[in-house]
Amino acid sequence: DQQVKQNSPSLSVQEGRISILNCDYTNSMFDYFLWYKKYPAEGPTFLISISSIKDKNEDGRFTVFLNKSAKHLSLHIVPSQPGDSAVYFCAACSSGTYKYIFGTGTRLKVLA
Amino acid sequence: DAGVTQSPTHLIKTRGQQVTLRCSPKSGHDTVSWYQQALGQGPQFIFQYYEEEERQRGNFPDRFSGHQFPNYSSELNVNALLLGDSALYLCASSLFSFVSSYNEQFFGPGTRLTVL
Repeated sequence: DQQVKQNSPSLSVQEGRISILNCDYTNSMFDYFLWYKKYPAEGPTFLISISSIKDKNEDGRFTVFLNKSAKHLSLHIVPSQPGDSAVYFCAACSSGTYKYIFGTGTRLKVLA
Repeated sequence: DAGVTQSPTHLIKTRGQQVTLRCSPKSGHDTVSWYQQALGQGPQFIFQYYEEEERQRGNFPDRFSGHQFPNYSSELNVNALLLGDSALYLCASSLFSFVSSYNEQFFGPGTRLTVL
């Protein structure tokens, strides 16, 4: 049972435009969410996180939105840059546990 | 400041063999987690070590075992290798906090294991 889902395997966006990556989860016990970026031959790199007590968190060009009632979160990248081209993973965890549950990833390609 | 390092980078084994993968955590970190990432999938949690003990385990058989040393480095051992064990094995380190349940995990580059 996939508790964290990223239903779009890939996304192409023009440089300078907004990239929106989506993630859905099924476990209502999740209360902390993260986005990781992964380049080939490298490990995932932490990008941004959000606690369930918030509905938005910003860090520079990256903003994560959380809709708890819909069990949905999204990552917005504005403006998108060619260097943002990577695989993006959404992850979730619950208070008191130590494991991250990852989605299957979305490959973002930013076209110059 | 060295990040998380893993060795070896690549490994080829045959079915039935045993393998040991190694991880050195980021400086200052005391907790190590191991994940398996199969092709086209997200990382799946294997287990986490803290204070040299397995603190939590994912849905992996007993063939997967680990160890954490006093210097916080860790090993992942897999016995009786199966073809399905072919994957990228990721190590992540973090610093335990009594204040917060959420300890950001920093990942290493992984070890690519191929089982023939």
